[in-house]
Amino acid sequence: DQQVKQNSPSLSVQEGRISILNCDYTNSMFDYFLWYKKYPAEGPTFLISISSIKDKNEDGRFTVFLNKSAKHLSLHIVPSQPGDSAVYFCAASPFGNEKLTFGTGTRLTIIP
Amino acid sequence: DTAVSQTPKYLVTQMGNDKSIKCEQNLGHDTMYWYKQDSKKFLKIMFSYNNKELIINETVPNRFSPKSPDKAHLNLHINSLELGDSAVYFCASSHGTAGGHNEQFFGPGTRLTVL
Repeated sequence: DQQVKQNSPSLSVQEGRISILNCDYTNSMFDYFLWYKKYPAEGPTFLISISSIKDKNEDGRFTVFLNKSAKHLSLHIVPSQPGDSAVYFCAASPFGNEKLTFGTGTRLTIIP
Repeated sequence: DTAVSQTPKYLVTQMGNDKSIKCEQNLGHDTMYWYKQDSKKFLKIMFSYNNKELIINETVPNRFSPKSPDKAHLNLHINSLELGDSAVYFCASSHGTAGGHNEQFFGPGTRLTVL
């Protein structure tokens, strides 16, 4: 039973345009959400997070949006750069719980 | 200046052998984790230790035994290796859930291949 889903296994975006990665969750106990970026042969790198008391969090080119009623979050990258090509994982946890549940990832390719 | 390090990076071994993977973090974190990424790229937590105490133990065969000699180290020992144990194993660390936040920082992974 996959509680965090990333339904798009891959996404290609032109350099300079906006990349939008989506994530859905089913567990209503989740209230903290994170995005990780992963290059081949490396570990996941933390990008940005959001707690359920917010609906938006921004850090430079990265913005995460949370729609609690739809149990949906998205990561916007603008403008997209070639170095953004990687696999992106969303993850979620209940408040005060160390256990992160990860999605299956979306491979983002930025086309020069 | 590595934050979370794992050794070895690659491990190739025969079925039935016993092997260990080591993990160290220099971030001053209290909590450490082991994750398994299987062939479908699904990243799933196995164990978590906080200050050397086990706090998460997912449904993992008891052939897998984590050991935390101190809060900067969390090693994973695997007995009687099976073909299905082939995967990439990631170590991670965090400050735990202080304030409700739990950003975890990952090591580079250990690719285990069982022949």
